[in-house]
Amino acid sequence: QQQVKQSPQSLIVQKGGISIINCAYENTAFDYFPWYQQFPGKGPALLIAIRPDVSEKKEGRFTISFNKSAKQFSLHIMDSQPGDSATYFCAASMRNQGGKLIFGQGTELSVKP
Amino acid sequence: NAGVTQTPKFQVLKTGQSMTLQCAQDMNHNSMYWYRQDPGMGLRLIYYSASEGTTDKGEVPNGYNVSRLNKREFSLRLESAAPSQTSVYFCASSPQGDEAFFGQGTRLTVV
Repeated sequence: QQQVKQSPQSLIVQKGGISIINCAYENTAFDYFPWYQQFPGKGPALLIAIRPDVSEKKEGRFTISFNKSAKQFSLHIMDSQPGDSATYFCAASMRNQGGKLIFGQGTELSVKP
Repeated sequence: NAGVTQTPKFQVLKTGQSMTLQCAQDMNHNSMYWYRQDPGMGLRLIYYSASEGTTDKGEVPNGYNVSRLNKREFSLRLESAAPSQTSVYFCASSPQGDEAFFGQGTRLTVV
């Protein structure tokens, strides 16, 4: 059972454009929603995270939008750059359950110059 | 700080062989995790350890065992490797069960 579903699987965006990646979750007990960025040959690294008590969080060019009633959250990358080309994973966890992350399937983003 | 260090980085095993993947963190984190990454499936939790001396199964524990040797080290053992265990394995640690810090991964091929 896939508890976190991510789309699209791959995304091509022109430099300067907006990249949008979506995730949907099933378990309403999740209380932590991070996004991880992974470059080839490297481990995932935390990009930005949100808790369900807020609807949006922005850090530089990266924004998480969170819709609790729809059980969906998304990552927006503004002014996308070639250096943003990587694989992005959404995830969800319950902090009182040891922080075990349930990951989405991943989105391979390519930003064309 | 080195963060989370995994060894080896690459390994090829024959079916039925055993091996141990090593992981150490120098951030004094309580929680440690082992994930496997397969194409199109994201990362899936194999085992985790909330603190020294405790371990618990994750989503895909079959065929694996773990040892939390001390607060720093968390090892993953494959007793009898199978081709289905060909994957990239990541160790991670977390201070309080939120932000997780990942190692560089071990790419394992079982032939």
